[in-house]
Amino acid sequence: GEDVEQSLFLSVREGDSSVINCTYTDSSSTYLYWYKQEPGAGLQLLTYIFSNMDMKQDQRLTVLLNKKDKHLSLRIADTQTGDSAIYFCAERDTGRRALTFGSGTRLQVQP
Amino acid sequence: DGGITQSPKYLFRKEGQNVTLSCEQNLNHDAMYWYRQDPGQGLRLIYYSQIVNDFQKGDIAEGYSVSREKKESFPLTVTSAQKNPTAFYLCASSMGQAVDTEAFFGQGTRLTVV
Repeated sequence: GEDVEQSLFLSVREGDSSVINCTYTDSSSTYLYWYKQEPGAGLQLLTYIFSNMDMKQDQRLTVLLNKKDKHLSLRIADTQTGDSAIYFCAERDTGRRALTFGSGTRLQVQP
Repeated sequence: DGGITQSPKYLFRKEGQNVTLSCEQNLNHDAMYWYRQDPGQGLRLIYYSQIVNDFQKGDIAEGYSVSREKKESFPLTVTSAQKNPTAFYLCASSMGQAVDTEAFFGQGTRLTVV
């Protein structure tokens, strides 16, 4: 079945850039997603990228996709303390149409 | 405002009891999903429904049951057969089966067995 992997923890200083990485296995994935979860809350969609794209930029967020290596990254420029959260990478299961999530990366932003 | 609502936010269950978590959406979405989240882990799919009166098991359906009698509602029952039910439960919905449709999430229900 599909598998999505992420590193568990990232710590950065306020104002620096953050890069969160993700690898996936389903080569037929057409859309890949980044969600943000704040403590005790649901998931909020940050951005997504279509598999025929290499890069997508949306304000402070940049998504890079290396389809050959099945590697996805999320770069947050000028990271703020409000960006502290858990970030989930997800791909949509082409069979069930449900999302398959990574384990999440906890981003800690230090003042 | 359109959205997806889960209730209650916190739920306590005694061992051996069944308990039902509510999920309602007014987004006119066809598809609905239930996920379970444990600390330090991603979300695991329990059940999903692509259309009214139809639903399928996800990866960890044992000990859970669902119904989809109305488009707007997808309640999840955690039965006494679920051996480790303490977790954070998230409901989601999306427009349909197309891969480019966004999934919207509720705020979650934290279930604790006491």
